[in-house]
Amino acid sequence: DQQVKQNSPSLSVQEGRISILNCDYTNSMFDYFLWYKKYPAEGPTFLISISSIKDKNEDGRFTVFLNKSAKHLSLHIVPSQPGDSAVYFCAASEGGANNLFFGTGTRLTVIP
Amino acid sequence: DTGVSQNPRHKITKRGQNVTFRCDPISEHNRLYWYRQTLGQGPEFLTYFQNEAQLEKSRLLSDRFSAERPKGSFSTLEIQRTEQGDSAMYLCASSLVSGQGSYEQYFGPGTRLTVT
Repeated sequence: DQQVKQNSPSLSVQEGRISILNCDYTNSMFDYFLWYKKYPAEGPTFLISISSIKDKNEDGRFTVFLNKSAKHLSLHIVPSQPGDSAVYFCAASEGGANNLFFGTGTRLTVIP
Repeated sequence: DTGVSQNPRHKITKRGQNVTFRCDPISEHNRLYWYRQTLGQGPEFLTYFQNEAQLEKSRLLSDRFSAERPKGSFSTLEIQRTEQGDSAMYLCASSLVSGQGSYEQYFGPGTRLTVT
């Protein structure tokens, strides 16, 4: 039972444009959400997180939006750079510090 | 480099053999997590420790799997009588749970296990 879903396996964006990666979840008890970036043969790298008490969190070029009523979150990358090309995973936890549930990932390709 | 480290990075073993992986977390972190990732999937939770206490185990962690964190520092994950279905990337992560509301988990590079 996949509690966190990333329905787009891949996304291609031109350099300088906005990348929008989407994630849906089914468990209403999730209260902490994270995005990770992963390059081949490396572990996931933490990017940005958001608590369920907020609806937006921003860190440089990365912004995460949370819509609790829709059980949906998105990651915006502006402007996109070729170095952003990687697989992006959405993750969620119940109780903040507990184990993470991951989506299946979206492969982002930023075209120079 | 003070990040999470894992050894070995790669392990090839024959079916039926035992293997052990090691994880060294970020030094001040009190929680340590093990995940498994197979091709085309996101990481799946296996177990986690708060200091030396193992607080939760996933149903994915069969009787052939055992994890320890003897002194609340490094951790080992052992798989006994390996099966081909155990082939995966085994990821370790650590976090500092301090009541400050920040719960990011930081991952190591993983150990890729291939069972032949």
